[in-house]
Amino acid sequence: GENVEQHPSTLSVQEGDSAVIKCTYSDSASNYFPWYKQELGKGPQLIIDIRSNVGEKKDQRIAVTLNKTAKHFSLHITETQPEDSAVYFCAASKRTGGFKTIFGAGTRLFVKA
Amino acid sequence: DTAVSQTPKYLVTQMGNDKSIKCEQNLGHDTMYWYKQDSKKFLKIMFSYNNKELIINETVPNRFSPKSPDKAHLNLHINSLELGDSAVYFCASSRETLPGNEQFFGPGTRLTVL
Repeated sequence: GENVEQHPSTLSVQEGDSAVIKCTYSDSASNYFPWYKQELGKGPQLIIDIRSNVGEKKDQRIAVTLNKTAKHFSLHITETQPEDSAVYFCAASKRTGGFKTIFGAGTRLFVKA
Repeated sequence: DTAVSQTPKYLVTQMGNDKSIKCEQNLGHDTMYWYKQDSKKFLKIMFSYNNKELIINETVPNRFSPKSPDKAHLNLHINSLELGDSAVYFCASSRETLPGNEQFFGPGTRLTVL
């Protein structure tokens, strides 16, 4: 069935270091891969996304890479700051009647000052 | 200015009761969703509506009944609440149903069933 695996479940880095979160998906029909950040007590918020026809996308300190062949995609955060601390979710979407988004289990990122 | 709003923010109730959660979006979006987030933060879609019509219905007990009176509102009614229903429920909306449309999430409703 459809599945998105996300690793690690918890990640602790020192301020200024880089953080990498990796995801794999099972459904080859998936063609849109958003990343969401969820701060404590709030709903998830989109931070970056990538479509299946693109291999890499960057937005300031955040970048996402996609390997369609291997069904892997990753989030890279450089020069981490304490305010980057949150739970990050990867997701994979495909068109199916409506469009269905399958979320990974989340990665809790701690950035130590 | 709130894009997606939910009420109530917290809901504490006894097993067996019936309760409703309301959701409204002022973004003019056509598609709305309900997600359940369990204690381990796992986020799973329950329902999706497009222009008041149900388009996604995951394997959810029929005790859960969504209702969309218009495309700006998607309410969730839960009958005969069980302990396992305790979770945070998020409403979300997107412009349309195609992949590539950002989903905007509400602040969540934390449901606790005692």
